[in-house]
Amino acid sequence: DIVMTQSPDSLGVSLGERATINCKSSQSVLYGSNNKNYLAWYQQKPGQPPKLFVYWASTRESGVPDRFSGSGSGTDFTLTISSLQAEDVAVYYCQQYYSYPLTFGGGTKVEIK
Amino acid sequence: QVQLQQSGPGLVKPSQTLSLTCAISGDSVSTNTTAWNWIRQSPSRGLEWLGRTYYRSKWYNEYAVSVKSRITINPDTSKNQFSLQLNSVTPEDTAVYYCARGYSFVYWGQGTLVTVSS
Repeated sequence: DIVMTQSPDSLGVSLGERATINCKSSQSVLYGSNNKNYLAWYQQKPGQPPKLFVYWASTRESGVPDRFSGSGSGTDFTLTISSLQAEDVAVYYCQQYYSYPLTFGGGTKVEIK
Repeated sequence: QVQLQQSGPGLVKPSQTLSLTCAISGDSVSTNTTAWNWIRQSPSRGLEWLGRTYYRSKWYNEYAVSVKSRITINPDTSKNQFSLQLNSVTPEDTAVYYCARGYSFVYWGQGTLVTVSS
């Protein structure tokens, strides 16, 4: 199984400041034949299912604000919130869909400092 | 617009079978372009993918090793839905259960909190 490790577990950021969440996979999720990273990011708020924010490691889902960006390749990935807004308080998860079983990171809780 | 509507009991006794259904609108369970998944979430285990069913000229299932001996996911083409059965449940199976479409998951069910308790 591919193990997804997120850091930090929680993150306090001032409004308007940058938030950076890291995700590391135990093996590469880059598929050589199409040069795509099979890595997604989700936002989850209490009482709701996770919401897909980024797929293919860096493609924003429709409707996701452009202050959110995904980057990285192979085994190391980052989700960046360029200017934290109050509505961004949530838990963020990475997920690999390169191989089965599909696996998720443990989550990073983003709060306002 | 795809919608997934979950149904099923929120309380199951230990050793019994957990059964949930996910009704699909806006897509077909028989499509050959995606897969239909069950995922659960608990404080102790986080988000855990349980398994999927999908159609590619015939039906396939894949299950997580952690539940492989106890799980069945079945499509129901007449009702355009799919189901989860998890046998011999213990309190460790207490979680919020979600159905979801695809490989990265845009569409999710609303979630069902299932508590295993006598």
